[in-house]
Amino acid sequence: SAVISQKPSRDICQRGTSLTIQCQVDSQVTMMFWYRQQPGQSLTLIATANQGSEATYESGFVIDKFPISRPNLTFSTLTVSNMSPEDSSIYLCSVAGQGNYEQYFGPGTRLTVT
Amino acid sequence: KQEVTQIPAALSVPEGENLVLNCSFTDSAIYNLQWFRQDPGKGLTSLLLIQSSQREQTSGRLNASLDKSSGRSTLYIAASQPGDSATYLCAVSPTDSNYQLIWGAGTKLIIKP
Repeated sequence: SAVISQKPSRDICQRGTSLTIQCQVDSQVTMMFWYRQQPGQSLTLIATANQGSEATYESGFVIDKFPISRPNLTFSTLTVSNMSPEDSSIYLCSVAGQGNYEQYFGPGTRLTVT
Repeated sequence: KQEVTQIPAALSVPEGENLVLNCSFTDSAIYNLQWFRQDPGKGLTSLLLIQSSQREQTSGRLNASLDKSSGRSTLYIAASQPGDSATYLCAVSPTDSNYQLIWGAGTKLIIKP
């Protein structure tokens, strides 16, 4: 298994500002994933982040709004840019284990945009 | 297109009862199926992973089964406790994209003391 930490755990931000969320894993992993979970909803995949290459975004998500960095095999950041109240969600990072592809999740970042 | 459904959406039972949560999927071409637990406002905890070649997995009071041909999985919780109260999510990984997860909407479980 993998142990994942996220910073910050929660934040309240003003409309129009940006927030960068950090995800740290205790072991080297090939793929990291960023999800959004809006209130009362299930998880939606934002993008897949591979070390050394551009992130792959899912339909409905764009790099200008959600830029992602993956500088090494244990760390990634997701920035939520030019925030609006509709961006209020829990943002989660996850990693997939080698072989069985079991996914492990961080504790999440609860974002409220006012 | 793969779709994952979880029934019921919510369940409330007295402490000590055994219970079953259901997950169904429309395409049997899956690589694996995972059950997760999510506490309110928190991240997800992986409970059990079943590979497509397996029929069941057990961890403590939890037992998950998989019937790939009928597109069904169940999560059995024995001797439920108030600490089991959470939302339980199932997700399948398709064979053509091992890292991708297709999610159910979850079952919100409340165990009454």
